[in-house]
Amino acid sequence: EAGVAQSPRYKIIEKRQSVAFWCNPISGHATLYWYQQILGQGPKLLIQFQNNGVVDDSQLPKDRFSAERLKGVDSTLKIQPAKLEDSAVYLCASKPGQMNTEAFFGQGTRLTVV
Amino acid sequence: DQQVKQNSPSLSVQEGRISILNCDYTNSMFDYFLWYKKYPAEGPTFLISISSIKDKNEDGRFTVFLNKSAKHLSLHIVPSQPGDSAVYFCAAIRGAGSYQLTFGKGTKLSVIP
Repeated sequence: EAGVAQSPRYKIIEKRQSVAFWCNPISGHATLYWYQQILGQGPKLLIQFQNNGVVDDSQLPKDRFSAERLKGVDSTLKIQPAKLEDSAVYLCASKPGQMNTEAFFGQGTRLTVV
Repeated sequence: DQQVKQNSPSLSVQEGRISILNCDYTNSMFDYFLWYKKYPAEGPTFLISISSIKDKNEDGRFTVFLNKSAKHLSLHIVPSQPGDSAVYFCAAIRGAGSYQLTFGKGTKLSVIP
């Protein structure tokens, strides 16, 4: 079974530039999460999708971050404009919807804003 | 507001001994708990989980204990091996239709040969 795919693996941009990350979840997984993990901290939930609908985006900085999951499959997370404090690893995870089970993570995208 | 707390940033254990990693939570709506293991430059990988209706779940060398009244869970690794050296995250799912997955800050385990 293919895992969660994320791209790119690494990205370096200057502050005020824009960047986009892509995630392809495990086939059939209805729930998709985007997390931000700053060095030395735990993953912080940015947004949760159930199919193509948003379940929770309360911690997403909506003035600069946006995410979409068209057709309820793959997803993109965008930052525009980026700030220095956005430097982090962005993790995508998926799991079957509506059940207590583990979520599966991709390898993440390491973003460095200079 | 940290709903899942791992108060020990790091832990060192001799190879062959028991490793005990602790986690506390504040939200009584959590009904499923998980432990993830993370190596550098990789995403977290699932290790073991426990439902709130149980107090113990065992999988090989890994056992998770849940004390609902104390809102506390722990992960026991016996015997510890050098390959277990990683960051361990405690996580919790709030069910009832939400299935929001919340993580603690992690504990870095070092198993010394």
